[in-house]
Amino acid sequence: KAGVTQTPRYLIKTRGQQVTLSCSPISGHRSVSWYQQTPGQGLQFLFEYFSETQRNKGNFPGRFSGRQFSNSRSEMNVSTLELGDSALYLCASSLIMTALYGYTFGSGTRLTVV
Amino acid sequence: DQQVKQNSPSLSVQEGRISILNCDYTNSMFDYFLWYKKYPAEGPTFLISISSIKDKNEDGRFTVFLNKSAKHLSLHIVPSQPGDSAVYFCAARGSQGNLIFGKGTKLSVKP
Repeated sequence: KAGVTQTPRYLIKTRGQQVTLSCSPISGHRSVSWYQQTPGQGLQFLFEYFSETQRNKGNFPGRFSGRQFSNSRSEMNVSTLELGDSALYLCASSLIMTALYGYTFGSGTRLTVV
Repeated sequence: DQQVKQNSPSLSVQEGRISILNCDYTNSMFDYFLWYKKYPAEGPTFLISISSIKDKNEDGRFTVFLNKSAKHLSLHIVPSQPGDSAVYFCAARGSQGNLIFGKGTKLSVKP
């Protein structure tokens, strides 16, 4: 079966701009989580969506937002980009919320802010 | 403050030997721990997990040990193979159900 698909794979944006990242979960998976990976901080939880509702949120500023559509696809938006937002953004999907070993990660979107 | 710590950024092991990756955590309320492996340009893939009610879980060459009193867990890979070379992340399930990751340990297995 197809895995978790994230688009685009690479993105270069200018400071102050906004960006939207997309994630298509595994077919049938209803939960989508987003994580940010940076060399200094490792993998940090951004938020989790289930049935089009944000269920959990990490400690990120309001510039980071997301949504989930009825087909479980999810988008993540970052507004007023800062240099520190440069990171690998990973999406993970699972059948149910707060899944444990059921998380499947995509390959990520590498965002560079210049 | 970091709740899940992997204090060794890198580890080098000879093929066929044992690899031991360590992880410490601060919150005694964590109830589930996982290990993920990540190759460059790929997302992390689940490796093995352990519930806080157990002290050991084994899956083939991979064994995870949990010492709750020390708030410490370790991943043993025996025997190590060159294909095991990757970054290994330790994670704990947080109170909201999200995963809290360590910063990772890069394992290099030399032929």
